Amino acid sequence: DIQMTQSPSSLSASVGDRVTITCRASQGISNYLAWYQQKPGKVPKLLIYAASTLQSGVPSRFSGSGSGTDFTLTISSLQPEDVATYYCQKYNSAPFFGPGTKVDIK
Amino acid sequence: QVQLVQSGAEVKKPGSSVKVSCKASGGTFSSYAISWVRQAPGQGLEWMGGIIPIFGTANYAQKFQGRVTITTDESTSTAYMELSSLRSEDTAVYYCARGVNYNLLDAFDIWGQGTMVTVSS
Repeated sequence: DIQMTQSPSSLSASVGDRVTITCRASQGISNYLAWYQQKPGKVPKLLIYAASTLQSGVPSRFSGSGSGTDFTLTISSLQPEDVATYYCQKYNSAPFFGPGTKVDIK
Repeated sequence: QVQLVQSGAEVKKPGSSVKVSCKASGGTFSSYAISWVRQAPGQGLEWMGGIIPIFGTANYAQKFQGRVTITTDESTSTAYMELSSLRSEDTAVYYCARGVNYNLLDAFDIWGQGTMVTVSS
């Protein structure tokens, strides 16, 4: 089975900072990779799919890149409303989520 | 815009079964895949399985094979997830979610509000 890892597991950054989260697959998954944002007590929200396609309505400060085994989610300028846990998900075969990265404001 | 509305919270005894519903409104139901994802308290997201209503055949995560059944009723635009032989570790919020494209293996763009299932004696 393909395993997904994320790093870091948590981070604290200042408003306006550029934030990068990494997701790694144990085997190549082409670009079958999505990113979600989940705020405490809320439903997950799709940010990015196909590794780099921004979901409609998602602010342009979010971007995704990568292919194969290594992927990144970048927030170009962190905003207070971005405090959340971020999950990657592969879907080349049975969908599987990474363990999450918790982002808060310093 | 499609909305997915799930049934209410459940409290179940160990060994029993639970059936959660997910009703779609506001758009096409049959062609899109519906998956079920669960999240235990304080934990991450776990895909359980999914179904494309127009085809009717479900696909399950290996972990849940034999214990989960996913079905749909096209006449009411409703998907169901039944989990049997419940144990305390099944205590979680259960979400239904729609695939972005017409694939079972997909990202999920629309989610239900979640259904809390508590397994306790």
